Amino acid sequence: AQRVTQPEKLLSVFKGAPVELKCNYSYSGSPELFWYVQYSRQRLQLLLRHISRESIKGFTADLNKGETSFHLKKPFAQEEDSAMYYCALGQGGSEKLVFGKGTKLTVNP
Amino acid sequence: KAGVTQTPRYLIKTRGQQVTLSCSPISGHRSVSWYQQTPGQGLQFLFEYFSETQRNKGNFPGRFSGRQFSNSRSEMNVSTLELGDSALYLCASSFSRGLAAYEQYFGPGTRLTVT
Repeated sequence: AQRVTQPEKLLSVFKGAPVELKCNYSYSGSPELFWYVQYSRQRLQLLLRHISRESIKGFTADLNKGETSFHLKKPFAQEEDSAMYYCALGQGGSEKLVFGKGTKLTVNP
Repeated sequence: KAGVTQTPRYLIKTRGQQVTLSCSPISGHRSVSWYQQTPGQGLQFLFEYFSETQRNKGNFPGRFSGRQFSNSRSEMNVSTLELGDSALYLCASSFSRGLAAYEQYFGPGTRLTVT
């Protein structure tokens, strides 16, 4: 069965510190992985997807198939990064996303 | 371009009643997916529609149903409401099928409370 695990419900860092939000997945096929973000009082929105290998707002995520992980990283956290972050797994040929429970990131001044 | 809109935004119903939620995708988008979000279970996939056809269905009872119209607008219906159906229902649209190629855009959600 497909499963996404985000082990930290809450993560608190200081401004300027590195941040890493963990995501592990379970899927027997070829995974499509995404990070979604929800800022306070805003809609859920796509942050980045592994296939594009892009950096958005300074965030990067590398798919590690050996460790079945897709951790989200940013070298220097900013206060505006405070939000709820969801890791999601997609299956080829389907629009279904399996979401992790989310990690609430708080960046303190 | 207007985003995904969902109506109503808030709804209070009584156990045993039925409810219909509406989703208007971004203009030109043809794929619509629905998710249920609860504190306990998180975000769970309900179903996906494309070209008026249900393409995928999540693991929910038959009380949950949906449809898509020719203009891509979608509705979902929940019959015989239970207290556990209280949740935020999110709709997402994308231009076409294929998560890797087409970004899903989420609506603000409909908050359903069952009493």
